[in-house]
Amino acid sequence: QQPVQSPQAVILREGEDAVINCSSSKALYSVHWYRQKHGEAPVFLMILLKGGEQKGHEKISASFNEKKQQSSLYLTASQLSYSGTYFCGTEGMNRDDKIIFGKGTRLHILP
Amino acid sequence: DSGVTQTPKHLITATGQRVTLRCSPRSGDLSVYWYQQSLDQGLQFLIQYYNGEERAKGNILERFSAQQFPDLHSELNLSSLELGDSALYFCASSVEGFPGELFFGEGSRLTVL
Repeated sequence: QQPVQSPQAVILREGEDAVINCSSSKALYSVHWYRQKHGEAPVFLMILLKGGEQKGHEKISASFNEKKQQSSLYLTASQLSYSGTYFCGTEGMNRDDKIIFGKGTRLHILP
Repeated sequence: DSGVTQTPKHLITATGQRVTLRCSPRSGDLSVYWYQQSLDQGLQFLIQYYNGEERAKGNILERFSAQQFPDLHSELNLSSLELGDSALYFCASSVEGFPGELFFGEGSRLTVL
């Protein structure tokens, strides 16, 4: 089952904050976040494992609520370089080696 | 540069034809994943191989097949192509069998006319 991301698209001004949500209908072992810039390959941001951890990467952090099967990606004081499409990928508890990605959230940062 | 190499970068072919997409994983990576990306569907998981063996299968059509060779490179074969198969096909690799950080190649853009 494909995770659901929201919002589908966000337009921000440089310096503003954004939250991207990812929810799944099945129990999750891990959540993966990737960013894809236009015309490029997706690039890994972070993995969150079950246990409700929160991770940070520069000014980008994420949380994972395993009870709700939800993850959120937080972008603070956004920079122009943050523009792109963000994908969450989920791995089920049976660890069947699949990472199923959501449809993505397009983020556009204006100067 | 992720270290994952995909060829060809662009491919234009006609309906009914067959094409082969090739992927060389990063040195030392044993797992290869194939994803299809179209505009409205995001990244669709197709299939995963680990050290030459199929490990996981997604919504891969019967017209599509893949394999991983002893040197760990992988090929995705697409046959009886339809217009709807036009998409960007990504290969990704990781060190282990279980999903960790995936390193994506630059993709092969397939256009079916």
